[in-house]
Amino acid sequence: AQSVSQHNHHVILSEAASLELGCNYSYGGTVNLFWYVQYPGQHLQLLLKYFSGDPLVKGIKGFEAEFIKSKFSFNLRKPSVQWSDTAEYFCAVMEGRRALTFGSGTRLQVQP
Amino acid sequence: KAGVTQTPRYLIKTRGQQVTLSCSPISGHRSVSWYQQTPGQGLQFLFEYFSETQRNKGNFPGRFSGRQFSNSRSEMNVSTLELGDSALYLCASSATQGTHNEQFFGPGTRLTVL
Repeated sequence: AQSVSQHNHHVILSEAASLELGCNYSYGGTVNLFWYVQYPGQHLQLLLKYFSGDPLVKGIKGFEAEFIKSKFSFNLRKPSVQWSDTAEYFCAVMEGRRALTFGSGTRLQVQP
Repeated sequence: KAGVTQTPRYLIKTRGQQVTLSCSPISGHRSVSWYQQTPGQGLQFLFEYFSETQRNKGNFPGRFSGRQFSNSRSEMNVSTLELGDSALYLCASSATQGTHNEQFFGPGTRLTVL
């Protein structure tokens, strides 16, 4: 079965620091990849997605992610975080017509 | 367009009772998926409906069931509630079923089982 690993469970950064959150998945075939964000008290929102093409995808709010097929990874990056980026971030993988499989999430705390 | 709506937003039940949660997808979306979110297990897929048919099912007991109506609205039902069913239940809709699909999530229904 598909599995998604997010190795960073809780990350604390100061404003303006750079961010990289790791995501690895287990399936070796064709997958669609997503990063979702859940701000405190709000519902899950899509940050960015990868279906095919350029492995470097840009999303909302200055986030980007790079798909590295050989490493089964889809890491999320942001050059300079803001206090408003404090949230929980979920990596998710969709294999074919199956449902989304989510990672366990990374709680990001940005200190002003 | 209005987003995915879920009712009720909060629910308190006791063990052994049953509960029905409702989800209205974004207008025009025909696929509805349900997920359970808990601190211990994270986000886990329950089932997906498309055109009133269950297309995918996660690894949950038969106490968890769902259905979809002709207007794409969906309900999920949990019978004989257990303490461990306390969770945030999320509904997501997408335009079609299958690949290249972006799922839009609702705010969830927080179920507490006492």
